[in-house]
Amino acid sequence: AQTVTQSQPEMSVQEAETVTLSCTYDTSESDYYLFWYKQPPSRQMILVIRQEAYKQQNATENRFSVNFQKAAKSFSLKISDSQLGDAAMYFCAYRSYDSGGSNYKLTFGKGTLLTVNP
Amino acid sequence: DTEVTQTPKHLVMGMTNKKSLKCEQHMGHRAMYWYKQKAKKPPELMFVYSYEKLSINESVPSRFSPECPNSSLLNLHLHALQPEDSALYLCASSQRRRQNTGELFFGEGSRLTVL
Repeated sequence: AQTVTQSQPEMSVQEAETVTLSCTYDTSESDYYLFWYKQPPSRQMILVIRQEAYKQQNATENRFSVNFQKAAKSFSLKISDSQLGDAAMYFCAYRSYDSGGSNYKLTFGKGTLLTVNP
Repeated sequence: DTEVTQTPKHLVMGMTNKKSLKCEQHMGHRAMYWYKQKAKKPPELMFVYSYEKLSINESVPSRFSPECPNSSLLNLHLHALQPEDSALYLCASSQRRRQNTGELFFGEGSRLTVL
């Protein structure tokens, strides 16, 4: 079974600074998806960024980028120029690419609560 | 704007009540999900529907009864719940495998309190 580990329960960053959230995972599969989801206090889970395992290039979405190290099974999220609106719980998640029921399961890490200080 | 709509946003019920949570999406997704989330915890998968058929039941107690009337709607019927069932219930949808970007789209959730 796949597991996702986020070793930082809480992080804080000063506004306009850069912060990196860590995520490691364990899988025996070669094809899969990795995601970072953001859940602000308003509750809705919002996709921040996605990475497909077969793509070597690290994904980037505006101020958000990932460092995907497939061999090391590491998938960290870098937030540049942090803004107050970035404050939220961030979940790293894994999804199998295979057929069958396992494809539907999104395995979440325990989350990292990010605080942005003005 | 959320593309997965959940109602109601808040629900308070007694242990003998029967209530339902509703979820709707119009993105043409054929997989829909119910998750349960406790405070400061990751969501826990409850049920998955694929093409309106129950695909996964994660050993959820029978007091939770899912229903998928059509490809756009997903219900969760609640009966004889316990106080420990109080949580945020999230609905999500996704495209089918190999047609999609892999992501799940989540609704804002229904906050359930069982007295």
